[in-house]
Amino acid sequence: DADVTQTPRNRITKTGKRIMLECSQTKGHDRMYWYRQDPGLGLRLIYYSFDVKDINKGEISDGYSVSRQAQAKFSLSLESAIPNQTALYFCATSDSSPGLGTQYFGPGTRLTVL
Amino acid sequence: GNSVTQMEGPVTLSEEAFLTINCTYTATGYPSLFWYVQYPGEGLQLLLKATKADDKGSNKGFEATYRKETTSFHLEKGSVQVSDSAVYFCALEEYGNKLVFGAGTILRVKS
Repeated sequence: DADVTQTPRNRITKTGKRIMLECSQTKGHDRMYWYRQDPGLGLRLIYYSFDVKDINKGEISDGYSVSRQAQAKFSLSLESAIPNQTALYFCATSDSSPGLGTQYFGPGTRLTVL
Repeated sequence: GNSVTQMEGPVTLSEEAFLTINCTYTATGYPSLFWYVQYPGEGLQLLLKATKADDKGSNKGFEATYRKETTSFHLEKGSVQVSDSAVYFCALEEYGNKLVFGAGTILRVKS
């Protein structure tokens, strides 16, 4: 089984709808991250969480919110989706050892907002 | 703030050709540096990393050397295969294991 899973894998929705993307991990890591990937822009950090009670905004948090329900679960919500939120979304995890930095990524969720 | 710049693609090579993908960074101090690879339809996975100046990361025939003098971390492979076709991302580590990514370089290898 995959260490980092994301659901759904693909989603098409309409402008103004509320959408939740879910991420689960079995790696036992404290730190979790949400990124979006756009062609030519690489990955940009939306939110990150160091543990259940520590959630922080990333580079592009406007229009998004998150919930860390447990160590293993980190959800990303779009309260009112808009077309420029069409992108590939990745969840990632890492342990808290300084300097290691390796992140483990889920397979991604392709979101299309019409 | 910190940033990563990598060469634009796509890079198209024939099988067994030599590969170089350039990566330079701007950062405070000497962050750890990474190359991640994304195969079609998959998430990113770590290819190699280097944690201090002059370190060389290597994996699967790929290599990159941390050069603080030129603030670079270029990816090289002596002989590419069709299976190396993917998107390659250079990244640096910030506080809290956060990663700053370059824009990605598409590599296409033809048989």
